[in-house]
Amino acid sequence: KAGVTQTPRYLIKTRGQQVTLSCSPISGHRSVSWYQQTPGQGLQFLFEYFSETQRNKGNFPGRFSGRQFSNSRSEMNVSTLELGDSALYLCASSIEGGNLEKLFFGSGTQLSVL
Amino acid sequence: ILNVEQSPQSLHVQEGDSTNFTCSFPSSNFYALHWYRWETAKSPEALFVMTLNGDEKKKGRISATLNTKEGYSYLYIKGSQPEDSATYLCAPLLTGGGNKLTFGTGTQLKVEL
Repeated sequence: KAGVTQTPRYLIKTRGQQVTLSCSPISGHRSVSWYQQTPGQGLQFLFEYFSETQRNKGNFPGRFSGRQFSNSRSEMNVSTLELGDSALYLCASSIEGGNLEKLFFGSGTQLSVL
Repeated sequence: ILNVEQSPQSLHVQEGDSTNFTCSFPSSNFYALHWYRWETAKSPEALFVMTLNGDEKKKGRISATLNTKEGYSYLYIKGSQPEDSATYLCAPLLTGGGNKLTFGTGTQLKVEL
């Protein structure tokens, strides 16, 4: 069974641009969560999607958005990039997104904003 | 903002040593605690999900205990091996918070030969 796949693996953008990251969950998993990792910070929750609906949202500005497609694949978009958006973005999937379900993480997209 | 503290921040041990580290979290509104292991250049991997006070989970040489009344969990590694070198992350869940995990900054373990 294929794991969680994130593309691209690395991305370099400049301030003011926008970026779209993609996440394909494990087959059969319907919940996809996104996390941001910056140096010195723990993984910060961005949002969670289930059945094409955003079910939970973290404390990030509106420049961060996402969506989920009918095949459970998810995309995350960041508009008007800032230097502070440079981070590793991880997505994680689970079957139903239940509180007691373990998350399965992808390898992440390393975003650098210059 | 949920305050999650993990200590120590980093740890160097010799192969064969047993070690343990701590995750502290607010005890009010506690629902569950997740533990993950994150090896360099790999993806975080789930170890345990714990819910009950006094709960103990075990996976091979790794075990964890949970005290929900005082808000802490211990992770133990018995007979550390180089392949145990990783960052160990805990993430509590609160009631009413959905599945929004709040991760600590982790304990970075390095096991030397």
